[in-house]
Amino acid sequence: DGGITQSPKYLFRKEGQNVTLSCEQNLNHDAMYWYRQDPGQGLRLIYYSQIVNDFQKGDIAEGYSVSREKKESFPLTVTSAQKNPTAFYLCASSPGQLWTEAFFGQGTRLTVV
Amino acid sequence: GQNIDQPTEMTATEGAIVQINCTYQTSGFNGLFWYQQHAGEAPTFLSYNVLDGLEEKGRFSSFLSRSKGYSYLLLKELQMKDSASYLCAVRDGGFQKLVFGTGTRLLVSP
Repeated sequence: DGGITQSPKYLFRKEGQNVTLSCEQNLNHDAMYWYRQDPGQGLRLIYYSQIVNDFQKGDIAEGYSVSREKKESFPLTVTSAQKNPTAFYLCASSPGQLWTEAFFGQGTRLTVV
Repeated sequence: GQNIDQPTEMTATEGAIVQINCTYQTSGFNGLFWYQQHAGEAPTFLSYNVLDGLEEKGRFSSFLSRSKGYSYLLLKELQMKDSASYLCAVRDGGFQKLVFGTGTRLLVSP
């Protein structure tokens, strides 16, 4: 079945440690996105990538980094520079131009202690 | 920049009709989306509007007025399972990215 897989579903890390969240899709989509969601809030865009080896900062990129070495994969690293990393992280993908739906993974809930 | 506004919370009764409004201001517009999100889960796609007018899909309908920067999601024959957050999102025409509003939490009571 085609879809987007995020792993792990729950992640605990100590303060000051970097952590990488995985996102893989087998939908052959060109574009991929990372969003952050805090309790009671909407989704805020962290980074997005429209093609392999290219990505752009979203609205809240500080303290995060990404790579897009393969079309299927768009991992997100939460660095120690991110002041409030505890949140629900969602990865999404969409086809090329004129897409009418973005597909989401099941999310990773990151808790920093 | 972009600004998308929705009411924070709404309540309704099972079997009733509810309308969730969304207003937006964008530098470039290339479509408006509605997603449903249950607590702790991923958003699921409900509707897409790019032209003015009403799109109907079963119990859900979505309306768009581009000149007014306005959309609404209409939910009919409400069911308990419709209790969720409803997210309005606009696709930025220039960069093809999806920008979300803060979402409206809908509580359906018996």
